[in-house]
Amino acid sequence: NAGVTQTPKFRILKIGQSMTLQCTQDMNHNYMYWYRQDPGMGLKLIYYSVGAGITDKGEVPNGYNVSRSTTEDFPLRLELAAPSQTSVYFCATSRFREYNEQYFGPGTRLTVT
Amino acid sequence: QKEVEQNSGPLSVPEGAIASLNCTYSDRGSQSFFWYRQYSGKSPELIMSIYSNGDKEDGRFTAQLNKASQYVSLLIRDSQPSDSATYLCAVNDSGGSNYKLTFGKGTLLTVNP
Repeated sequence: NAGVTQTPKFRILKIGQSMTLQCTQDMNHNYMYWYRQDPGMGLKLIYYSVGAGITDKGEVPNGYNVSRSTTEDFPLRLELAAPSQTSVYFCATSRFREYNEQYFGPGTRLTVT
Repeated sequence: QKEVEQNSGPLSVPEGAIASLNCTYSDRGSQSFFWYRQYSGKSPELIMSIYSNGDKEDGRFTAQLNKASQYVSLLIRDSQPSDSATYLCAVNDSGGSNYKLTFGKGTLLTVNP
């Protein structure tokens, strides 16, 4: 099992460009999450999904969009990239609602210049 | 605003010593508590979960939970240089969104040979 995979590993965007960060899991987990991590700031929840077709905003959703058409995939879309979106992005999954052990993908390091 | 507080460190201990990492949280209804280890440039890795008051041991790691004091800790016995990393405390949200986690900013641990 690959677990949680993310592509690309690294990306440099120009201001105003758009891109999609991919996240795929083969663990059959219902819950999926997107976080961003800035130096010294901890992990901040961007969007989450409790199952295919159901998504909701987290703590810092502005400038991002998501979709969840299948259990396996949870892409994160950046529209009109801004320097403030320079960060490391992690996708995570969990199986249970209550005993919510989350498992992280390897991350995507994004720079917007 | 739910908060999870950790000392940012760095916490420096000699090889073979016990490292003690602490975390306090504000959401009194939280039921699930996690410790993640994050090496520099890598994604968070789940190392301990605890759901009941008291101690939980796994190898060299012991998690301690005191819900009345809203306090959770991680002890690492016989610390090794390979334990040098940032340790993130995570706590689940109470109520209807208990599948979401709030993360602390992490404590940087350095184990000196």
